[in-house]
Amino acid sequence: AQSVTQLGSHVSVSEGALVLLRCNYSSSVPPYLFWYVQYPNQGLQLLLKYTTGATLVKGINGFEAEFKKSETSFHLTKPSAHMSDAAEYFCAVSRSGGYQKVTFGTGTKLQVIP
Amino acid sequence: ETGVTQTPRHLVMGMTNKKSLKCEQHLGHNAMYWYKQSAKKPLELMFVYSLEERVENNSVPSRFSPECPNSSHLFLHLHTLQPEDSALYLCASSQDRGLNTGELFFGEGSRLTVL
Repeated sequence: AQSVTQLGSHVSVSEGALVLLRCNYSSSVPPYLFWYVQYPNQGLQLLLKYTTGATLVKGINGFEAEFKKSETSFHLTKPSAHMSDAAEYFCAVSRSGGYQKVTFGTGTKLQVIP
Repeated sequence: ETGVTQTPRHLVMGMTNKKSLKCEQHLGHNAMYWYKQSAKKPLELMFVYSLEERVENNSVPSRFSPECPNSSHLFLHLHTLQPEDSALYLCASSQDRGLNTGELFFGEGSRLTVL
């Protein structure tokens, strides 16, 4: 069984401030971890993913996330928020093998304040 | 066209209507998915097709009927829906072979309103 917990359904940051969106997972096998972003009235778009190898993963738009096995976490960060980062962010976990069984978190809406 | 395309983007229907949502992927993937996204709820996986065979049906009511005629096309047939079925319906695809990692490619969604 696998699950994802995103802490905070809404996060507000000032433009230029650090963005930190939290994600904790549980998985009985080594996980694949993802962050997706959803802009209003659009589908989900992959920001970044961790499969194997380097635990610090860089994604699009200046975002990055670090896989910490000991903490079962995969938090998303960006050093300086931009107005265009306002969106909803979803953390997800999957297991390998066969068709993907992807479990999504409940999402975190990021508000960027000018 | 590239990626995953969903039509229509918006649909309003009465409870007695029959309509269909269409999804087409241009990525050469062999697995396709329907998700339901409702306000304040997690994404709900509805159906999964792998190599055109339905491999998962998450206890979805029979008023939703999927169809996957080939690996590039996926439909969701709708009939006698309820107002609580109003939601954003997302189609996704993935490569279900080899070193698959679980990465999903989503369409922009079909916003359904049931009156």
